[in-house]
Amino acid sequence: ELKVEQNPLFLSMQEGKNYTIYCNYSTTSDRLYWYRQDPGKSLESLFVLLSNGAVKQEGRLMASLDTKARLSTLHITAAVHDLSATYFCAGHTGTASKLTFGTGTRLQVTL
Amino acid sequence: GAVVSQHPSWVICKSGTSVKIECRSLDFQATTMFWYRQFPKQSLMLMATSNEGSKATYEQGVEKDKFLINHASLTLSTLTVTSAHPEDSSFYICSARDRLASNLNLEFFGPGTRLTVL
Repeated sequence: ELKVEQNPLFLSMQEGKNYTIYCNYSTTSDRLYWYRQDPGKSLESLFVLLSNGAVKQEGRLMASLDTKARLSTLHITAAVHDLSATYFCAGHTGTASKLTFGTGTRLQVTL
Repeated sequence: GAVVSQHPSWVICKSGTSVKIECRSLDFQATTMFWYRQFPKQSLMLMATSNEGSKATYEQGVEKDKFLINHASLTLSTLTVTSAHPEDSSFYICSARDRLASNLNLEFFGPGTRLTVL
Protein backbone atom coordinates (compact mmCIF):
# COMPACT_ATOMS: atom_id res chain seq x y z
CA GLU A 1 0.00 0.00 0.00
CA LEU A 2 1.34 3.38 -0.98
CA LYS A 3 2.13 5.77 1.85
CA VAL A 4 3.05 9.39 1.27
CA GLU A 5 4.75 11.65 3.78
CA GLN A 6 5.54 15.31 3.60
CA ASN A 7 7.81 17.51 5.60
CA PRO A 8 7.70 19.91 7.10
CA LEU A 9 4.08 19.92 8.23
CA PHE A 10 4.20 23.62 8.87
CA LEU A 11 6.49 26.21 7.39
CA SER A 12 6.68 29.85 8.27
CA MET A 13 8.93 31.84 6.00
CA GLN A 14 9.65 35.43 5.24
CA GLU A 15 8.91 37.04 1.95
CA GLY A 16 11.82 36.82 -0.42
CA LYS A 17 13.26 33.62 1.04
CA ASN A 18 13.63 30.23 -0.63
CA TYR A 19 12.51 26.92 0.75
CA THR A 20 11.77 23.34 -0.22
CA ILE A 21 8.94 21.01 0.72
CA TYR A 22 9.75 17.31 0.61
CA CYS A 23 7.45 14.46 -0.35
CA ASN A 24 8.54 10.87 0.25
CA TYR A 25 6.54 7.86 -0.85
CA SER A 26 6.85 4.27 0.16
CA THR A 27 6.39 2.18 -2.96
CA THR A 28 6.47 2.65 -6.69
CA SER A 29 4.24 5.47 -7.81
CA ASP A 30 3.84 5.95 -11.52
CA ARG A 31 3.17 9.65 -11.19
CA LEU A 32 3.28 12.37 -8.59
CA TYR A 33 0.94 15.31 -8.20
CA TRP A 34 1.17 18.58 -6.34
CA TYR A 35 -1.90 20.51 -5.24
CA ARG A 36 -2.58 23.76 -3.45
CA GLN A 37 -5.45 24.30 -1.04
CA ASP A 38 -6.53 27.66 0.33
CA PRO A 39 -8.44 27.73 3.66
CA GLY A 40 -12.01 26.54 3.24
CA LYS A 41 -11.48 25.81 -0.43
CA SER A 42 -10.91 22.77 -2.56
CA LEU A 43 -7.77 21.67 -4.35
CA GLU A 44 -6.05 23.40 -7.21
CA SER A 45 -3.78 21.29 -9.39
CA LEU A 46 -0.22 22.61 -9.64
CA PHE A 47 1.94 19.93 -11.25
CA VAL A 48 1.89 16.40 -12.59
CA LEU A 49 5.27 14.65 -12.69
CA LEU A 50 5.38 11.57 -14.85
CA SER A 51 8.93 10.29 -14.96
CA ASN A 52 12.24 10.17 -13.17
CA GLY A 53 14.05 13.48 -13.40
CA ALA A 54 10.93 15.39 -14.37
CA VAL A 55 11.05 19.05 -13.47
CA LYS A 56 8.21 21.52 -13.88
CA GLN A 57 8.09 25.19 -13.05
CA GLU A 58 5.31 27.70 -12.75
CA GLY A 59 6.14 31.13 -11.45
CA ARG A 60 7.92 30.86 -8.11
CA LEU A 61 7.19 27.15 -7.73
CA MET A 62 9.29 24.34 -9.13
CA ALA A 63 8.57 20.64 -8.66
CA SER A 64 10.86 17.72 -9.33
CA LEU A 65 10.69 13.95 -9.13
CA ASP A 66 13.35 11.35 -8.30
CA THR A 67 11.71 7.95 -8.64
CA LYS A 68 14.81 6.09 -7.49
CA ALA A 69 14.83 7.94 -4.18
CA ARG A 70 11.01 7.95 -4.12
CA LEU A 71 11.18 11.67 -3.49
CA SER A 72 9.52 14.71 -4.94
CA THR A 73 10.30 18.28 -3.98
CA LEU A 74 8.43 21.53 -4.31
CA HIS A 75 10.83 24.45 -4.28
CA ILE A 76 9.65 27.95 -3.53
CA THR A 77 11.74 30.80 -4.82
CA ALA A 78 11.54 34.30 -3.35
CA ALA A 79 8.31 33.62 -1.53
CA VAL A 80 5.47 36.12 -1.59
CA HIS A 81 2.47 36.36 0.71
CA ASP A 82 0.11 35.06 -1.99
CA LEU A 83 1.79 31.68 -1.79
CA SER A 84 0.44 31.13 1.73
CA ALA A 85 -1.66 27.97 1.53
CA THR A 86 -1.50 24.27 2.27
CA TYR A 87 0.38 22.19 -0.28
CA PHE A 88 -0.30 18.51 -0.82
CA CYS A 89 1.58 15.97 -2.82
CA ALA A 90 -0.18 12.80 -3.95
CA GLY A 91 1.10 9.57 -5.40
CA HIS A 92 -0.73 7.39 -7.84
CA THR A 93 -0.57 3.64 -8.19
CA GLY A 94 -1.58 2.20 -11.51
CA THR A 95 -2.98 -0.97 -9.99
CA ALA A 96 -5.41 0.75 -7.68
CA SER A 97 -5.75 3.78 -9.96
CA LYS A 98 -6.32 6.12 -7.06
CA LEU A 99 -4.51 8.97 -5.37
CA THR A 100 -2.89 8.76 -1.97
CA PHE A 101 -2.34 12.16 -0.43
CA GLY A 102 0.51 13.28 1.74
CA THR A 103 0.00 14.89 5.11
CA GLY A 104 0.11 18.40 3.67
CA THR A 105 2.44 21.30 4.37
CA ARG A 106 0.91 24.50 5.64
CA LEU A 107 2.96 27.38 4.31
CA GLN A 108 2.73 30.79 5.88
CA VAL A 109 4.65 33.60 4.22
CA THR A 110 5.14 36.60 6.45
CA LEU A 111 6.00 40.12 5.45
CA GLY B 1 -12.62 23.66 -18.99
CA ALA B 2 -12.67 20.71 -16.58
CA VAL B 3 -15.01 22.21 -14.02
CA VAL B 4 -16.51 20.14 -11.24
CA SER B 5 -19.34 21.49 -9.14
CA GLN B 6 -20.75 20.34 -5.83
CA HIS B 7 -24.06 21.07 -4.24
CA PRO B 8 -24.69 22.17 -1.62
CA SER B 9 -21.54 24.04 -0.64
CA TRP B 10 -22.50 23.78 3.00
CA VAL B 11 -25.25 22.06 4.93
CA ILE B 12 -26.31 21.88 8.56
CA CYS B 13 -28.55 19.03 9.61
CA LYS B 14 -29.90 17.38 12.73
CA SER B 15 -28.50 14.14 14.03
CA GLY B 16 -30.31 11.15 12.55
CA THR B 17 -31.27 12.78 9.27
CA SER B 18 -29.83 11.99 5.83
CA VAL B 19 -27.99 14.41 3.60
CA LYS B 20 -27.37 14.12 -0.14
CA ILE B 21 -24.40 15.80 -1.81
CA GLU B 22 -24.20 16.11 -5.59
CA CYS B 23 -21.06 16.17 -7.68
CA ARG B 24 -21.25 17.18 -11.33
CA SER B 25 -18.69 17.41 -14.10
CA LEU B 26 -19.87 20.44 -16.04
CA ASP B 27 -17.93 20.31 -19.30
CA PHE B 28 -16.63 16.78 -19.56
CA GLN B 29 -17.72 13.21 -19.09
CA ALA B 30 -16.40 11.37 -16.08
CA THR B 31 -16.53 7.61 -15.97
CA THR B 32 -14.86 7.71 -12.58
CA MET B 33 -15.54 10.02 -9.68
CA PHE B 34 -14.00 9.96 -6.24
CA TRP B 35 -15.28 11.00 -2.84
CA TYR B 36 -12.91 12.29 -0.18
CA ARG B 37 -13.35 13.43 3.38
CA GLN B 38 -11.16 16.01 5.02
CA PHE B 39 -11.14 16.82 8.72
CA PRO B 40 -9.84 20.22 9.87
CA LYS B 41 -6.12 20.65 9.32
CA GLN B 42 -5.80 17.12 7.99
CA SER B 43 -5.22 15.52 4.65
CA LEU B 44 -7.76 14.14 2.22
CA MET B 45 -8.86 10.59 2.84
CA LEU B 46 -10.37 8.68 -0.04
CA MET B 47 -13.74 7.24 0.91
CA ALA B 48 -14.81 5.56 -2.30
CA THR B 49 -14.40 5.33 -6.02
CA SER B 50 -17.54 5.72 -8.06
CA ASN B 51 -17.81 4.27 -11.54
CA GLU B 52 -20.67 5.14 -13.84
CA GLY B 53 -23.22 2.37 -14.03
CA SER B 54 -21.64 0.13 -11.42
CA LYS B 55 -21.33 -0.17 -7.68
CA ALA B 56 -18.90 2.05 -5.84
CA THR B 57 -15.68 0.68 -4.41
CA TYR B 58 -15.27 1.67 -0.79
CA GLU B 59 -12.01 2.09 1.07
CA GLN B 60 -11.31 0.01 4.10
CA GLY B 61 -13.15 1.28 7.15
CA VAL B 62 -15.79 3.23 5.23
CA GLU B 63 -19.31 1.94 5.85
CA LYS B 64 -21.05 1.51 2.52
CA ASP B 65 -24.49 1.44 4.14
CA LYS B 66 -23.84 4.76 5.79
CA PHE B 67 -22.28 6.52 2.82
CA LEU B 68 -24.42 5.66 -0.18
CA ILE B 69 -22.92 6.49 -3.54
CA ASN B 70 -24.77 6.60 -6.82
CA HIS B 71 -23.16 7.35 -10.17
CA ALA B 72 -26.13 7.31 -12.48
CA SER B 73 -24.68 9.24 -15.41
CA LEU B 74 -21.36 10.29 -16.89
CA THR B 75 -21.69 13.71 -15.29
CA LEU B 76 -23.30 13.10 -11.91
CA SER B 77 -22.40 11.24 -8.75
CA THR B 78 -24.18 11.59 -5.42
CA LEU B 79 -23.09 10.84 -1.87
CA THR B 80 -25.81 10.33 0.72
CA VAL B 81 -24.81 10.39 4.35
CA THR B 82 -27.52 8.35 6.05
CA SER B 83 -28.49 8.80 9.69
CA ALA B 84 -25.85 11.45 10.12
CA HIS B 85 -24.17 11.95 13.48
CA PRO B 86 -21.91 14.74 14.76
CA GLU B 87 -18.81 12.67 14.03
CA ASP B 88 -19.77 12.76 10.33
CA SER B 89 -19.24 16.51 10.32
CA SER B 90 -16.48 17.14 7.83
CA PHE B 91 -15.52 18.69 4.52
CA TYR B 92 -16.51 16.34 1.69
CA ILE B 93 -14.75 16.79 -1.63
CA CYS B 94 -15.46 15.01 -4.87
CA SER B 95 -13.25 14.73 -7.89
CA ALA B 96 -13.82 13.54 -11.42
CA ARG B 97 -11.53 11.98 -13.97
CA ASP B 98 -11.97 13.09 -17.56
CA ARG B 99 -12.83 10.08 -19.69
CA LEU B 100 -10.94 11.51 -22.64
CA ALA B 101 -7.79 12.41 -20.70
CA SER B 102 -7.33 9.11 -18.94
CA ASN B 103 -3.63 8.85 -19.80
CA LEU B 104 -2.71 11.39 -17.13
CA ASN B 105 -5.31 10.18 -14.64
CA LEU B 106 -5.92 13.82 -13.78
CA GLU B 107 -8.58 14.40 -11.19
CA PHE B 108 -10.47 17.65 -11.16
CA PHE B 109 -11.74 18.59 -7.76
CA GLY B 110 -15.04 20.08 -6.77
CA PRO B 111 -15.25 23.04 -4.38
CA GLY B 112 -16.24 20.83 -1.46
CA THR B 113 -19.26 20.55 0.81
CA ARG B 114 -19.00 21.40 4.47
CA LEU B 115 -21.33 19.21 6.50
CA THR B 116 -22.19 20.07 10.10
CA VAL B 117 -24.34 17.65 12.04
CA LEU B 118 -25.90 19.03 15.21
